[in-house]
Amino acid sequence: NAGVTQTPKFRVLKTGQSMTLLCAQDMNHEYMYWYRQDPGMGLRLIHYSVGEGTTAKGEVPDGYNVSRLKKQNFLLGLESAAPSQTSVYFCASSKSSGANVLTFGAGSRLTVL
Amino acid sequence: AQSVTQLGSHVSVSEGALVLLRCNYSSSVPPYLFWYVQYPNQGLQLLLKYTSAATLVKGINGFEAEFKKSETSFHLTKPSAHMSDAAEYFCAVTEAYSGAGSYQLTFGKGTKLSVIP
Repeated sequence: NAGVTQTPKFRVLKTGQSMTLLCAQDMNHEYMYWYRQDPGMGLRLIHYSVGEGTTAKGEVPDGYNVSRLKKQNFLLGLESAAPSQTSVYFCASSKSSGANVLTFGAGSRLTVL
Repeated sequence: AQSVTQLGSHVSVSEGALVLLRCNYSSSVPPYLFWYVQYPNQGLQLLLKYTSAATLVKGINGFEAEFKKSETSFHLTKPSAHMSDAAEYFCAVTEAYSGAGSYQLTFGKGTKLSVIP
């Protein structure tokens, strides 16, 4: 099983450019999440989805959009990248909420110049 | 609202010494509690979780944590540190009665563990 796969692993953007991060899971999980990790800040939830076709805002949603057109995929978009969006982005998935464990991808490191 | 506080952003121990990573939480209802570990350049993976059964929870790689309701704590311990334990550790909390369709998992800011040979 591949688990959770994120592409790309690394990306460098210029301010104002757009890009999409792709997350794919093969565990038939209902819930999917996008987090960003910054030094000293821990993990902060950007957006999440509780099922195909649904999305919801997390703690830090500004500047990002998401889509969940297929159950196995969760896309994170940056329409106009800013240096403040330089971060490591993690996708995760779980069967449900509550006691369900999150399975994380390996991360995508984004640098915005 | 729930929250998690991890005391100490960096902890250093000698190889073979006790590892103690502290986590305190706040929650208005019974919590589920988790410890995740992140090795360099990797995603997070579950070490252990508490879901209201036994208060002493054993996890992978010799780690364990004890849920203490009176102290609102869920500290992570390992009797003898190994070089391979060097990583960042995250405590997380969610409410046991989270409704379907909701999501309320809150992570602490993490504690980076260094193991000195």
